[in-house]
Amino acid sequence: QVRLVQSGAEVKKPGASVKVSCLLSGYKLTEVTMQWVRQAPGKGLEWMGKFDPDDHEPLSAPEFQGRVTLTEDTSTGTAYMELSGLRSDDTAIYYCATAIVVTGTAFDYWSQGALVTVSS
Amino acid sequence: QSVLTQPPSVSGSPGQRVTISCSGSEATIGSNTVNWYQHLPGTAPRLLMYSNFQRPSGVPNRFSGSRSDTSASLAISGLQSDDEAYYFCQSWDDSIDGPVFGGGTKVTVL
Repeated sequence: QVRLVQSGAEVKKPGASVKVSCLLSGYKLTEVTMQWVRQAPGKGLEWMGKFDPDDHEPLSAPEFQGRVTLTEDTSTGTAYMELSGLRSDDTAIYYCATAIVVTGTAFDYWSQGALVTVSS
Repeated sequence: QSVLTQPPSVSGSPGQRVTISCSGSEATIGSNTVNWYQHLPGTAPRLLMYSNFQRPSGVPNRFSGSRSDTSASLAISGLQSDDEAYYFCQSWDDSIDGPVFGGGTKVTVL
């Protein structure tokens, strides 16, 4: 059974960094492209970036370039998203998602989400 | 502001048919397929429709999808109380090589 399990909720101060983990079980991390998406309160989903296993390179969305770092530990099957320079508007639920069964541009597996609260 | 535009809410009575629209551009929906997700707060989003009109295993045929030019829509027929949730559309933007999303639509069963 394929599952994406994230780390727990975090509370951070403005200017700090947060590192969210995403454990993929039931499938090899090296065979998927892991996407990172967030949803701020009352807002829609926002793509942050992805890690492509073919070239082992992360790709950040333009809005997050310079602030987000995507890494993977293939020995444990865990993907990480680190966001720096936190601001209050980074308060959101952060998801990891990937496509395993479906083809095309859809994501058929999502994590439960990790709440990150940025507050002084 | 989301890249794809959805109505904030739609509602219907049990058994009725409701439709959710999703509007994009030539660069997004006009050039790529559309996917739909059902989302209940506090849970993982569930893929409901992919490649415009394909249903993943386990999704009832009460749900149907379509795409035309730069817009897409999701229809729910035989509305049930279990269908009360948020629904959001997703497509792709080749210029950023990443997904783009709608703002989500709250479906309320009256």
